[in-house]
Amino acid sequence: DTEVTQTPKHLVMGMTNKKSLKCEQHMGHRAMYWYKQKAKKPPELMFVYSYEKLSINESVPSRFSPECPNSSLLNLHLHALQPEDSALYLCASSQEGTKQSEQFFGPGTRLTVL
Amino acid sequence: LAKTTQPISMDSYEGQEVNITCSHNNIATNDYITWYQQFPSQGPRFIIQGYKTKVTNEVASLFIPADRKSSTLSLPRVSLSDTAVYYCLVGGAGFQKLVFGTGTRLLVSP
Repeated sequence: DTEVTQTPKHLVMGMTNKKSLKCEQHMGHRAMYWYKQKAKKPPELMFVYSYEKLSINESVPSRFSPECPNSSLLNLHLHALQPEDSALYLCASSQEGTKQSEQFFGPGTRLTVL
Repeated sequence: LAKTTQPISMDSYEGQEVNITCSHNNIATNDYITWYQQFPSQGPRFIIQGYKTKVTNEVASLFIPADRKSSTLSLPRVSLSDTAVYYCLVGGAGFQKLVFGTGTRLLVSP
């Protein structure tokens, strides 16, 4: 299984809502990532989990809260988002290696904040 | 992290070979060069990775000169389905903070 799955595919939420994005992989990878991608822009790294511990937080606002319950799951909890947070949210995973690790990306969650 | 520079866009026709060059002047000794492909509304997909000289797989070749300050992704005989954005990234070992550059939008026409 070389797939990263993400749910939901689409999400529409109001600025006062609380929602969560979910990501799952069963490749035994020990690193998992969240990226945000706006239209016609490259993906921007948000968070990196390494062995279930948060290792990189790219100064992301606290209205985004990541969680890694186990080595296969990664969540992104959303609260009090702004319309400018509307974007494609991508999850990725990789295994540690002696060279730059290939990252496997999921299909993304298309988020719209009203 | 090494900064990369790529052409913003390229046009080609089906059946032609396409070469996309990436400049990475401040590449570090431990850095590898990796290329990803992204279709609209999908996550990026790994294409190829190399350290020096030439690497070839079933979909592409990667040419890296001795000074490693640039690299060229070569796509042989492109088809319409190769229309996508191509990103060049450089970075070291292990869990990597991938910094995507602006990428190159390749449009393949019939």
